[in-house]
Amino acid sequence: NAGVTQTPKFQVLKTGQSMTLQCAQDMNHEYMSWYRQDPGMGLRLIHYSVGAGITDQGEVPNGYNVSRSTTEDFPLRLLSAAPSQTSVYFCASSYGLAGDTQYFGPGTRLTVL
Amino acid sequence: GENVEQHPSTLSVQEGDSAVIKCTYSDSASNYFPWYKQELGKGPQLIIDIRSNVGEKKDQRIAVTLNKTAKHFSLHITETQPEDSAVYFCAASKTASKLTFGTGTRLQVTL
Repeated sequence: NAGVTQTPKFQVLKTGQSMTLQCAQDMNHEYMSWYRQDPGMGLRLIHYSVGAGITDQGEVPNGYNVSRSTTEDFPLRLLSAAPSQTSVYFCASSYGLAGDTQYFGPGTRLTVL
Repeated sequence: GENVEQHPSTLSVQEGDSAVIKCTYSDSASNYFPWYKQELGKGPQLIIDIRSNVGEKKDQRIAVTLNKTAKHFSLHITETQPEDSAVYFCAASKTASKLTFGTGTRLQVTL
């Protein structure tokens, strides 16, 4: 049981480039989320999904796209990277009932030059 | 939307002393309050949580208290050890997938 896995661990992009951050979980969790972590700002919700085929916006969705074609995978896409998207990105998953524990992945550190 | 404030931003204690971190939240509908510990280079890990129908919860050296009327909750760590050094985040939620986090407290336990 690997839990929540994220790839890559580190990534450097140039402004305007696109990329996809991968997230997968093997716990059969319905709920998956993406957060970004910036110094002094805690973690902020970008997008979340309550099940395959269903996604919704969080607090800071601009510049990011998501899709959920399977229960296991929840990729985050940056269509045209900007320096403001330099951050550490965390994926999380939970069973979905209110108050269930969210399990976080190890994170992806993204730098946009 | 929900807003969570966390204090202090840094906390230094001597080994064996107690540490207290406090959070306030704004949305009275929030009903789930987890605390996460984040070690350097890792993702946050749940250490304890409390639901709105409970006033206090304890797990060995860690305890959390909740005051719904005042809309604040606190993390208490007793007999601190060097391995407690990390960044701690509080959060509030009324749904499973939408946690609102505080800004974090960096705890340093000195020998």
